[in-house]
Amino acid sequence: AQKITQTQPGMFVQEKEAVTLDCTYDTSDPSYGLFWYKQPSSGEMIFLIYQGSYDQQNATEGRYSLNFQKARKSANLVISASQLGDSAMYFCAMREVLTGNQFYFGTGTSLTVIP
Amino acid sequence: NAGVTQTPKFQVLKTGQSMTLQCAQDMNHEYMSWYRQDPGMGLRLIHYSVGAGITDQGEVPNGYNVSRSTTEDFPLRLLSAAPSQTSVYFCASSYWDRGDYGYTFGSGTRLTVV
Repeated sequence: AQKITQTQPGMFVQEKEAVTLDCTYDTSDPSYGLFWYKQPSSGEMIFLIYQGSYDQQNATEGRYSLNFQKARKSANLVISASQLGDSAMYFCAMREVLTGNQFYFGTGTSLTVIP
Repeated sequence: NAGVTQTPKFQVLKTGQSMTLQCAQDMNHEYMSWYRQDPGMGLRLIHYSVGAGITDQGEVPNGYNVSRSTTEDFPLRLLSAAPSQTSVYFCASSYWDRGDYGYTFGSGTRLTVV
């Protein structure tokens, strides 16, 4: 079974609108961390946001927030007020203590911001 | 600046040639990994290491070797390059015992095997 599932291969959003990128995960470990990374066309991987499994509140970092629904095992990334520079691939990842703090990545979502 | 340094950034190999992709980090991270990225397949783990002298296989290890003689360096060796190894390769590092700590990635190596 896939540890991380991103079901949206591609998404479009109008500039200045908000967009949600979906991520679901699969783990039986009570202790895990969830991460989102951005990969612009230049290719580098940029860390965006982190959510711990015991965190009570949703993580926020500027225009990024993580909609963490533990019971549903989802960790959706919300980007508010989209900008043209947000056009990129976005990867959801999980780090699981049970498997020795291994990382698991989803297949990514390509986001295009339309002017 | 502290970070993960990957070399080279681009490489073209002929089928059957061997080469080593270099990766070095200066953050004293125990955990280092190599991934390959292919279109539509996300990041696939090739090999990883949780400390000097310790390496293990990931999801797609065939055709690749690694070693970890120091905490800083984690080279990836292609033994006999094949066109199927055409990909973008990323090295990444992290603390091993910090589940709340993400990866720091290198800038990637774009490898073409002809």
